[in-house]
Amino acid sequence: AQSVTQLGSHVSVSEGALVLLRCNYSSSVPPYLFWYVQYPNQGLQLLLKYTTGATLVKGINGFEAEFKKSETSFHLTKPSAHMSDAAEYFCAVILYNTDKLIFGTGTRLQVFP
Amino acid sequence: GAGVSQSPSNKVTEKGKDVELRCDPISGHTALYWYRQSLGQGLEFLIYFQGNSAPDKSGLPSDRFSAERTGGSVSTLTIQRTQQEDSAVYLCASSLDVRGPLVDTQYFGPGTRLTVL
Repeated sequence: AQSVTQLGSHVSVSEGALVLLRCNYSSSVPPYLFWYVQYPNQGLQLLLKYTTGATLVKGINGFEAEFKKSETSFHLTKPSAHMSDAAEYFCAVILYNTDKLIFGTGTRLQVFP
Repeated sequence: GAGVSQSPSNKVTEKGKDVELRCDPISGHTALYWYRQSLGQGLEFLIYFQGNSAPDKSGLPSDRFSAERTGGSVSTLTIQRTQQEDSAVYLCASSLDVRGPLVDTQYFGPGTRLTVL
């Protein structure tokens, strides 16, 4: 069963524009939610995570995400894109009472000058 | 402090050979994970260690794959009789612990790129 869906395998924005990367999860029990970024030929770096508490989560590099239970979503946003944001972004979940990350298929972000 | 390290960074092997991939987790992290990243399958979980034991091996794709962890630290992922479909980037991650309501962050290494000819 698909637990994480990322809409759009590629997203292109201009430098300075809003970045919106979409992630929806399928789980009857809200999972723990994560966004990771992968720069070319590098490992995964955690951007932010939601486990409990405030539903608007702020992460590194100006990114933030909001957990919306009613929409089963955890979209990633950044108000103003920078050239250095070009990378692949993965949404992931840890289902309740499990240990492993389940990843979405990833979204490649391109930033144009 | 040092992050998760993996070796080798690249490995090219011939079909049918055995390979060993190594992971050094962050010091003090009791949980260790192996994932695989391939074009066809994306990022997929392989196995998880808590200390030296592996309570979840559900992601290992076949009995050609095995892993061990010694001293609660270094882990080795072994692939026997490699096949071309084993070509992928193998990622290791570690975290402080997985239990409890506060899910610990998994920190990833740079990966080992395996190419099976």
